[in-house]
Amino acid sequence: EAGVTQFPSHSVIEKGQTVTLRCDPISGHDNLYWYRRVMGKEIKFLLHFVKESKQDESGMPNNRFLAERTGGTYSTLKVQPAELEDSGVYFCASSQDSNYGYTFGSGTRLTVV
Amino acid sequence: AQSVTQPDIHITVSEGASLELRCNYSYGATPYLFWYVQSPGQGLQLLLKYFSGDTLVQGIKGFEAEFKRSQSSFNLRKPSVHWSDAAEYFCAVGARAAGNKLTFGGGTRVLVKP
Repeated sequence: EAGVTQFPSHSVIEKGQTVTLRCDPISGHDNLYWYRRVMGKEIKFLLHFVKESKQDESGMPNNRFLAERTGGTYSTLKVQPAELEDSGVYFCASSQDSNYGYTFGSGTRLTVV
Repeated sequence: AQSVTQPDIHITVSEGASLELRCNYSYGATPYLFWYVQSPGQGLQLLLKYFSGDTLVQGIKGFEAEFKRSQSSFNLRKPSVHWSDAAEYFCAVGARAAGNKLTFGGGTRVLVKP
């Protein structure tokens, strides 16, 4: 089966611009998670979708971040406007049920200059 | 709140030597524990996980980990490393009470010398 796909793999944008990251989960996986790792820090949870509903968005850093999962398939994470501290690697993961069978994507490396 | 500490940021090991990566966690109840590996250019791959039962867990790629409740530890081991084991390793803790989200340690980067 195809894995979790994220794109772009890399993105370099200027401060103040908008960037949209996309995650395609494994087909049939209802649970979709976003995590990120900023430079030198731990990987941190951002939010969790169950189908198209946000189950937990307690990790979203501020209102410049907007995640959507229309139709319960792919998800997008938009950062608007981007700030320097948003630089890092954004990971997406999906699972078929809530039993921690996470499969992670390769991540999107975001650099804000 | 859950927390995970990986005390070693970098470890260098010779090929063929044994490897042990330390992980200490903080959580009030019995946690779910995980080790992930990230090779260059790759995503996070699950090596092994512990939910309950036998405290010695076998994973992929010849790795194993031992859950020690008394020490709040979940150390990862491999008897003989291969050059392909050079990667960054992450310990993580989760719990159903926390909505199945994972709390990660800071990672340990492993370098393998020929």
